[in-house]
Amino acid sequence: QVQLKESGPGLVQPSQTLSLTCTVSGFSLTSYNVHWVRQPPGKGLEWMGRMRYNGDTSYNSALKSRLSISRDTSKNQVFLKMNSLQTDDTGTYYCTRTSEWGQGVMVTVSS
Amino acid sequence: DIVMTQSPSSLAVSAGETVTINCKSSQSLFGSVRQKNYLAWYQQKPGQSPKLLIYLASTRESGVPDRFIGSGSGTDFTLTISSVQAEDLANYYCQQYYDTPNTFGAGTKLELK
Repeated sequence: QVQLKESGPGLVQPSQTLSLTCTVSGFSLTSYNVHWVRQPPGKGLEWMGRMRYNGDTSYNSALKSRLSISRDTSKNQVFLKMNSLQTDDTGTYYCTRTSEWGQGVMVTVSS
Repeated sequence: DIVMTQSPSSLAVSAGETVTINCKSSQSLFGSVRQKNYLAWYQQKPGQSPKLLIYLASTRESGVPDRFIGSGSGTDFTLTISSVQAEDLANYYCQQYYDTPNTFGAGTKLELK
């Protein structure tokens, strides 16, 4: 059974760095791409970036300077790091294999 | 970046009606190697994660009812929901995965009339 689960802090202070982990099961990170998608409260979906099965990464053009995605295949985990957070980075952050999604983690940027 | 323009932004329907949601991309999503269109449709209900309905523009994901039909090619795509049921009231998003960055449409909210 394919599962993805996001974890990380619920509250981040402005200007700080967000670190999220996506732990997957039921499939291999060396066979499937994993994406990060976020959603501000009451708004639409925004594709943030992708960890490809071969280790290559791609990023949203608007976030590229602040965003880094990496992985640890031995732990079945994909990581997201985004720096210089502002209040408009508040929202739910999802990791997804496209056909399966995590439950999402709500991140609030506030002092 | 490829821009996805989705319309309408909201739609009020009665149960049993047929609805159409449109999605237009700023460039063709047709891949000449596989001869496929790299367009997906997602459904998101309040408080839930998005759910994949359609991929490759017209292929229904396993378990998705056949009243959900994806069509279109190139830059113009449509999601048709025939005989809408109460459980279909949700937000719908198109997404292109022809190129990175992958991009979503702004969404269509399907509401009860």
